[in-house]
Amino acid sequence: RKEVEQDPGPFNVPEGATVAFNCTYSNSASQSFFWYRQDCRKEPKLLMSVYSSGNEDGRFTAQLNRASQYISLLIRDSKLSDSATYLCVPSDNYGQNFVFGPGTRLSVLP
Amino acid sequence: DADVTQTPRNRITKTGKRIMLECSQTKGHDRMYWYRQDPGLGLRLIYYSFDVKDINKGEISDGYSVSRQAQAKFSLSLESAIPNQTALYFCATSDFLGSGYTFGSGTRLTVV
Repeated sequence: RKEVEQDPGPFNVPEGATVAFNCTYSNSASQSFFWYRQDCRKEPKLLMSVYSSGNEDGRFTAQLNRASQYISLLIRDSKLSDSATYLCVPSDNYGQNFVFGPGTRLSVLP
Repeated sequence: DADVTQTPRNRITKTGKRIMLECSQTKGHDRMYWYRQDPGLGLRLIYYSFDVKDINKGEISDGYSVSRQAQAKFSLSLESAIPNQTALYFCATSDFLGSGYTFGSGTRLTVV
């Protein structure tokens, strides 16, 4: 089993839709979790950090299920500018081991 | 100015040539990393350094070497470039709390 698994997509959704991505991780020692977004040929940028059960920032909500070892990212009221690849990144407690998932591609259509 | 600066932004080099990619940061972070990204494979760790005297191999270090010249500088070298090292290379930094990475803009390297 890969350390981090994500549905590669693409997820094609209309503007205004709600979309959710899941990410599963195999290392039960993972303590911190991050979602990054990456635009085509650009560097990944930190979107959200998740240290407890979840986090919410505007239209974005991340939820963590430690028992099942998955985290999700929910995007409400999708905008065209949300089109990107979303990377799931678990990390150990000391931030010494970040493992990047392969990413899920989102296309928001007009 | 960007927090993490990579040079060059693009480079085309010939097989067998030595090439160095440079990274400098103004974040004041101790931890620095080099990743490569290939289509469909995601980001893979090449080397990382937690302070000036610390160098660690990552998942795919063969064919690469690094130098941590100062807290703010971390360079990646390809001693003898080969075509399958064609990729997008990212430098990243993080603080000691592990609160996430800041990435440079990347170096697009093509080995012909």
